[in-house]
Amino acid sequence: DAGITQSPRHKVTETGTPVTLRCHQTENHRYMYWYRQDPGHGLRLIHYSYGVKDTDKGEVSDGYSVSRSKTEDFLLTLESATSSQTSVYFCAISGYGGTEAFFGQGTRLTVV
Amino acid sequence: GQQVMQIPQYQHVQEGEDFTTYCNSSTTLSNIQWYKQRPGGHPVFLIQLVKSGEVKKQKRLTFQFGEAKKNSSLHITATQTTDVGTYFCAGRGGATNKLIFGTGTLLAVQP
Repeated sequence: DAGITQSPRHKVTETGTPVTLRCHQTENHRYMYWYRQDPGHGLRLIHYSYGVKDTDKGEVSDGYSVSRSKTEDFLLTLESATSSQTSVYFCAISGYGGTEAFFGQGTRLTVV
Repeated sequence: GQQVMQIPQYQHVQEGEDFTTYCNSSTTLSNIQWYKQRPGGHPVFLIQLVKSGEVKKQKRLTFQFGEAKKNSSLHITATQTTDVGTYFCAGRGGATNKLIFGTGTLLAVQP
């Protein structure tokens, strides 16, 4: 498996609190993505990054922000968690030229 | 924005039967990729198609990319219990490198 690690793997948080999920890679890949997976919706793109400090919105970006201050790390922040953000979050990486994406193990987030 | 739909959402087959999932994009794609996700796991890359009309095979799996580069299909011949999982297509379109996934098809195989 590619060197990609998500933390935490599981988290339970209360409505209204901020939450940050971390994605760390050791592959030096240019592109990093955050997806959420919900039954019946497949994988929906939240945000992605095409370089350090270069990010763009995906399909479901409202309520989420991201930061990428160095190549290895891509952070996803839920500014004020809501129950609708209960989901499984996947980080993915891919190299230059639109090659295959490698996924992390996922983070199961529950907002109560 | 770009949307990618897959049908069917769910398919239940007897072991040995064939299976096909179809992927349709609202926009022209530069390439299409296919992934498999086992229950409880993360998506794993299977293949990428780039050329219009391209067909690729991996053992019992056959992948096609449509002539207009807006649709694709995955066909599995003689399914096995190891084929169980959700199959996703994913496409990149336009000038960005956004990788948009389809809604997925969950395949159940009964022995």
